[in-house]
Amino acid sequence: DSGVTQTPKHLITATGQRVTLRCSPRSGDLSVYWYQQSLDQGLQFLIQYYNGEERAKGNILERFSAQQFPDLHSELNLSSLELGDSALYFCASSVSGLNEKLFFGSGTQLSVL
Amino acid sequence: DQQVKQNSPSLSVQEGRISILNCDYTNSMFDYFLWYKKYPAEGPTFLISISSIKDKNEDGRFTVFLNKSAKHLSLHIVPSQPGDSAVYFCAASSGTQGGSEKLVFGKGTKLTVNP
Repeated sequence: DSGVTQTPKHLITATGQRVTLRCSPRSGDLSVYWYQQSLDQGLQFLIQYYNGEERAKGNILERFSAQQFPDLHSELNLSSLELGDSALYFCASSVSGLNEKLFFGSGTQLSVL
Repeated sequence: DQQVKQNSPSLSVQEGRISILNCDYTNSMFDYFLWYKKYPAEGPTFLISISSIKDKNEDGRFTVFLNKSAKHLSLHIVPSQPGDSAVYFCAASSGTQGGSEKLVFGKGTKLTVNP
């Protein structure tokens, strides 16, 4: 158990809909990351937050947004969903976000039908 | 543009033998490398890492070798055990550019260790 909690584990929705994925980092970790893993793809970095502030953006679509709340949990919002958004979404956390290993949650499997 | 490449999607070895997983990178700014292991229905878990100031790091049955001139690293598992069967991801970051947000992953190699 990594200590990172992601909910829900599975999500099935339709095109055009909006969903919210939730992540609770390990106790004491201030930095949260979101990654997307599509079929046959590696883990694609989406966005990083540190102590409530956005620190870095990767290949995140404009239809996607995220935030980190004062209690350090994070939410990833995906809107106007398309079939191609079907993927495994991972959240990870680390203490400071400075060149250190990440601890991953078990992921949310999103299926857009 | 894939900066971290794992050219072998899968690898099969016999229990007790050595498993060698390979990874190539293109970005010469990468200076910190990690291997993650992933079981089905679980998130990746950290396995071992190496800084660019070293060429070898060992942790029990796992050893990572770094060849900076070739921009190549490898993970050796000796002896391999059936419980090692998983997908292995190579990852790299450029710490000088600050932060784990620069962690770039390969597509993974699925290792199967046969009893």
